[in-house]
Amino acid sequence: EPEVTQTPSHQVTQMGQEVILRCVPISNHLYFYWYRQILGQKVEFLVSFYNNEISEKSEIFDDQFSVERPDGSNFTLKIRSTKLEDSAMYFCASRRTDLGEKLFFGSGTQLSVL
Amino acid sequence: GDSVTQMEGPVTLSEEAFLTINCTYTATGYPSLFWYVQYPGEGLQLLLKATKADDKGSNKGFEATYRKETTSFHLEKGSVQVSDSAVYFCALRGGGGGNKLTFGTGTQLKVEL
Repeated sequence: EPEVTQTPSHQVTQMGQEVILRCVPISNHLYFYWYRQILGQKVEFLVSFYNNEISEKSEIFDDQFSVERPDGSNFTLKIRSTKLEDSAMYFCASRRTDLGEKLFFGSGTQLSVL
Repeated sequence: GDSVTQMEGPVTLSEEAFLTINCTYTATGYPSLFWYVQYPGEGLQLLLKATKADDKGSNKGFEATYRKETTSFHLEKGSVQVSDSAVYFCALRGGGGGNKLTFGTGTQLKVEL
């Protein structure tokens, strides 16, 4: 079965540094998502992306966050100036079409902000 | 807003035991309900879903029934195997439109011989 690939699996960064989390969605998928899970808490929606623009975002997704699909295969999440509270597991997901289609998730990037 | 509450883990069972993982939800309209599973080192995978009241989702011996009257979607399996050890997430997609999922915290299941 096709899969969503995320790199790296674990990233450690210093507070205030910029970090880019990378995802390669399934090749014929059109809808892309980022979710995160802080340890012990719920998996939270961050942002959805379609047709090269953000279609929906949560309150968490403030000006420190941005997403990009730079080359038609990668889908990146950038955090401009990381805070301690950004430490979490970040999941990328993709879907071929909108409603009714299965959402495919990557295995996640564990971000640790020190 | 929408929310999902699922039972705390970890849950430890012996092989062939009966499994129930409770999930209740709060949502406006008529949400679709899902169970996702995450095996060690892998991404979340859709296990089963139900899109309207009284629907039963089933897959790999797991079942869950969409109960609107109790706003629940409990996951059950009659006889668990060691290979079922994973983290199970209950989730909903709101009936009010949009395509985001709202998840619970996840319940870790460990099945021992």
